[in-house]
Amino acid sequence: SAVISQKPSRDICQRGTSLTIQCQVDSQVTMMFWYRQQPGQSLTLIATANQGSEATYESGFVIDKFPISRPNLTFSTLTVSNMSPEDSSIYLCSVNGQGAVNTEAFFGQGTRLTVV
Amino acid sequence: AQSVTQLGSHVSVSEGALVLLRCNYSSSVPPYLFWYVQYPNQGLQLLLKYTTGATLVKGINGFEAEFKKSETSFHLTKPSAHMSDAAEYFCAVDAGNMLTFGGGTRLMVKP
Repeated sequence: SAVISQKPSRDICQRGTSLTIQCQVDSQVTMMFWYRQQPGQSLTLIATANQGSEATYESGFVIDKFPISRPNLTFSTLTVSNMSPEDSSIYLCSVNGQGAVNTEAFFGQGTRLTVV
Repeated sequence: AQSVTQLGSHVSVSEGALVLLRCNYSSSVPPYLFWYVQYPNQGLQLLLKYTTGATLVKGINGFEAEFKKSETSFHLTKPSAHMSDAAEYFCAVDAGNMLTFGGGTRLMVKP
């Protein structure tokens, strides 16, 4: 299994500012995933972060708005830039299992962001 | 491309009644299928998964799901609902190392 620590767990931010969310995994993983869960909605993949290369963004998400860092195999950050109320969501970090549990995804507890 | 459809964004059952949450998927390759549960203010927790082998899979908390290829379904069931089962449930498909989630079903359990 993988244990993921994500912080902050929640924040209330002013529009126009930026927030950086951190994700720490207790084991080395190749890929880390960032999801957004808007109020009452399902999870939408924002991007996939590989260590040592630029993140791969899904349709509708751009690097200028959601820059991602992946400095090593256990850590990643997602920044929500120039925030607006529409960015109010839960943001989740996820990794795939390794070895015998490589068919399973593990999730952090999420960061609940409210933009006012 | 792959997709997941969960019928019913809200399901309400009485305590002790059968729980049935529906999930249909589409995938161009044999999929891995998952059910996740999300309790209020928490992340996602894996309930159960189907990869290969037996099509009826059992998970935690008394839940089980059956993979029916002919129906492209992976419905989640539990014989007797408990108040603690109230949560959001997500069906997901992995057909290429990327998870695609259904819209979620909020399960409400009435006393």
